[in-house]
Amino acid sequence: DGGITQSPKYLFRKEGQNVTLSCEQNLNHDAMYWYRQDPGQGLRLIYYSQIVNDFQKGDIAEGYSVSREKKESFPLTVTSAQKNPTAFYLCASSGRQGEQYFGPGTRLTVT
Amino acid sequence: AQSVTQLDSQVPVFEEAPVELRCNYSSSVSVYLFWYVQYPNQGLQLLLKYLSGSTLVKGINGFEAEFNKSQTSFHLRKPSVHISDTAEYFCAVFPSGGSYIPTFGRGTSLIVHP
Repeated sequence: DGGITQSPKYLFRKEGQNVTLSCEQNLNHDAMYWYRQDPGQGLRLIYYSQIVNDFQKGDIAEGYSVSREKKESFPLTVTSAQKNPTAFYLCASSGRQGEQYFGPGTRLTVT
Repeated sequence: AQSVTQLDSQVPVFEEAPVELRCNYSSSVSVYLFWYVQYPNQGLQLLLKYLSGSTLVKGINGFEAEFNKSQTSFHLRKPSVHISDTAEYFCAVFPSGGSYIPTFGRGTSLIVHP
């Protein structure tokens, strides 16, 4: 089955720890994205990548980092510099016409 | 730059009634238009899309949307809703050339009452 996988579904961390969220796709898409979703705020773009070894900051990149070493993988690291990291994180990929395919999401809780 | 405005944050409706979720957009370039649905604690899934051609597009689960270029709108409709349609709905635009950055609206929560 083609699609996007994210792991884990739920993640708990202590404040001050870095944490990496996994995102893998087998749709052969060049473009991949990370979004953050908070109640009542819709989707906010963290980072995106149009091609391997290249990525760009989105609207809320501070406190996050990414890598794109393989076409299939686009992991997101939430660093200790992120002031309010508790949120629902969504990964997506898209083809040239912009149709986004989303993963099931990772709910991160930092205490 | 693009922007998307979903005019209603919440739409309550009774089962089997018709519903319309409104979406207006602005853009300095040509865009493709999309509606997505999100069920609780899940990712978004595509309902329908407008790329070109007929302005009335049909999607999954009995939804349809009409593209109106003069009013820059892309409203989503369903003639008869079910309890299972209760979800969050997002309108989105994607530039048809150049930038690969989509823009999403803030979402409309559709609540279907029995």
